Amino acid sequence: GAVVSQHPSWVICKSGTSVKIECRSLDFQATTMFWYRQFPKQSLMLMATSNEGSKATYEQGVEKDKFLINHASLTLSTLTVTSAHPEDSSFYICSALAGSHTGELFFGEGSRLTVL
Amino acid sequence: SQQGEEDPQALSIQEGENATMNCSYKTSINNLQWYRQNSGRGLVHLILIRSNEREKHSGRLRVTLDTSKKSSSLLITASRAADTASYFCAPTTGANSKLTFGKGITLSVRP
Repeated sequence: GAVVSQHPSWVICKSGTSVKIECRSLDFQATTMFWYRQFPKQSLMLMATSNEGSKATYEQGVEKDKFLINHASLTLSTLTVTSAHPEDSSFYICSALAGSHTGELFFGEGSRLTVL
Repeated sequence: SQQGEEDPQALSIQEGENATMNCSYKTSINNLQWYRQNSGRGLVHLILIRSNEREKHSGRLRVTLDTSKKSSSLLITASRAADTASYFCAPTTGANSKLTFGKGITLSVRP
């Protein structure tokens, strides 16, 4: 199946700094990627839809200036958590549509962010 | 987009037993997908069943879909300890529609 690589796997940062998470589709082109966050023992919450070459579409309640998404190529989307605070600590997961007609998603392994 | 509602929330079985997990949804779908998430990892796509299909098999997995009842079930036969994970269903209404997930089912398979 298609492979999605997410980096870094985990990151610890100080409050107030910005953190960038990369999501790459390794063997296919993805015009659409999705970003989720997950708190411990909870489900995935969709944050935004990332479209190659255009602005991301954010879900209600997600601050677009806080979570910057860039999808500059067909194989790379990035999520930047700006001015991170401890409440931003979470597990962030990206996924990509592999261009099929079914809507099947391929997920990255996730990035665990801890803000001190 | 719509999210499925999985049932039960938690399931604990002995290795070798079968595990049955259910999913209900509210509006018409194009297909329904099942995903697995191991602790601290991303989701893995397990199986997709189209709205015009009633049953589908993949290895030890069997999925059924009843569009009249707006429900699906995932059966894992001869379960293994490695099947321990959270399982999510995702009803889909379009090819590029975003997927949202419910609370999932936590399956524990005791060795």
